Amino acid sequence: ETGVTQTPRHLVMGMTNKKSLKCEQHLGHNAMYWYKQSAKKPLELMFVYSLEERVENNSVPSRFSPECPNSSHLFLHLHTLQPEDSALYLCASSREVDRSEAFFGQGTRLTVV
Amino acid sequence: GENVEQHPSTLSVQEGDSAVIKCTYSDSASNYFPWYKQELGKGPQLIIDIRSNVGEKKDQRIAVTLNKTAKHFSLHITETQPEDSAVYFCAASMEGGATNKLIFGTGTLLAVQP
Repeated sequence: ETGVTQTPRHLVMGMTNKKSLKCEQHLGHNAMYWYKQSAKKPLELMFVYSLEERVENNSVPSRFSPECPNSSHLFLHLHTLQPEDSALYLCASSREVDRSEAFFGQGTRLTVV
Repeated sequence: GENVEQHPSTLSVQEGDSAVIKCTYSDSASNYFPWYKQELGKGPQLIIDIRSNVGEKKDQRIAVTLNKTAKHFSLHITETQPEDSAVYFCAASMEGGATNKLIFGTGTLLAVQP
C-alpha cells in the first residue's frame, strides 16, 4: 500500500464509450501525475498537476482529458479511444512538483476493443 | 531532452548470487536517480534513490552507485532471493526544475532461480 489508490483496477471499453479513471492519494502531496505504461516501452508521462493546476501536458491526444478537483484526487476521462490506447495507466504523487520522489498507485489495466 | 538507457532487458540469477543492472543518461543536468521495482499486477515501488551529490548509497541488500562523469548509475542487489524477482526500472530527473519529469528506462526483468 503506497497511499495512492486507483480505480478501477481493470477496464474494458469500446471505442465509442466514455469512461473515467480515478486516483486518490492519502499522502498529503501537492503534485499528481498520470503515466502510461505500454509493453516494451518506457513509462510515458502524460499530465502533471500541482495544487489542482495543470502544469504539463506531454502532447497527449484530446481523447484523454484529465481533471484535478483538489490536491487529493485526479481523474482521467476517456472518450473515443483507439485499440493502441490499451495499456496500464498509472497515477503517481509527490510532495511538491519539483521534488522527484514519486509514489505510484497500482494502475488501471485498460483494454480498448 | 533526457534519454535513459537500461541494460540488460532480462537477467536470470541463482538465489544467493548478486545482480547488477546498469543505466546511462544523456542530460548532465539530471541530479536525481531513483530505482523502482514493479511486481506483477502492481504499480512501480520506489526502492532506492540517489542524488548527484553522492556517489553511492546502500540500504541492506540494495545499493546504487553513480558516476556523474560517465553519466551512468547502477543497481546492485546482493544475496538475491526469489522475492526479488520483478521488473526493475531506473529513472533520471532534474529536481528543482519547473516540473518533476522522471524519464524512465525500459526496465529489466530479474528472475531469481531458487
